[in-house]
Amino acid sequence: SAVISQKPSRDICQRGTSLTIQCQVDSQVTMMFWYRQQPGQSLTLIATANQGSEATYESGFVIDKFPISRPNLTFSTLTVSNMSPEDSSIYLCSAQGWSSYNEQFFGPGTRLTVL
Amino acid sequence: SQQGEEDPQALSIQEGENATMNCSYKTSINNLQWYRQNSGRGLVHLILIRSNEREKHSGRLRVTLDTSKKSSSLLITASRAADTASYFCATDGTYKYIFGTGTRLKVLA
Repeated sequence: SAVISQKPSRDICQRGTSLTIQCQVDSQVTMMFWYRQQPGQSLTLIATANQGSEATYESGFVIDKFPISRPNLTFSTLTVSNMSPEDSSIYLCSAQGWSSYNEQFFGPGTRLTVL
Repeated sequence: SQQGEEDPQALSIQEGENATMNCSYKTSINNLQWYRQNSGRGLVHLILIRSNEREKHSGRLRVTLDTSKKSSSLLITASRAADTASYFCATDGTYKYIFGTGTRLKVLA
C-alpha cells in the first residue's frame, strides 16, 4: 500500500486569499485524485491529477478556482483560489497504485477554515 | 449520479454486538471499496471486493457484494469502542471512485 502525506494538516485563511496543499506519495502511483469533504458530508471528487498534463475536473469544479499540478508520479498540489467561507472543508488527496485491484489510498487530509 | 447510498445513516450499538451497514449503487462497477474515517481525519482503506466476488473477510470484517441488486454490506463482528467512526463505500465505473453517503457508527462501551 502507498503512504500518503499532506501539508499543511490544517490552516485558517482569510477570505480572498489562496492556499496550496501539497500531497506526497512514498512510491510511484498511476492515479492521483483530490477530494473535498464538507462538514458532516461524504467525499466529493474535485479532479484527477494527471502527470504531465492538465487535470481532469468533475462537474462543478473549474481550473481557475482549483488549479492542480502533478509534476511527477509521486507529487501533486491543489490550490484553493480566492477563498470564501464556503470553501471551508477537509481536502483529501488519494492515490491509486499499479495493482490490478485499483485500491485507492488516502492522505490524512487538510482541514481548511476560511474566515 | 453514481453516488452510492448507505443505510442506516447512523447506528448506535453496544460493545460486543455486531454492526451491519449497507451500500446501494446505481451503475455497473468493477470494484467496491469500504473505508473507515475517524472524526475529521483521513480515510482508512478496509476492504476491496471485485465485481466477480461475492464475499470477503478481513479479521472482524465481512463484506458481501450482490451485483444483481447493486448492493453491498459491511459486517463488523464483536464491535469495540474503537470501531466508532464513519464508514463509506466507494464504487468505480471506470478509473475513479465515487463515495457513498456514509454510515456513522457509535459503539457504546
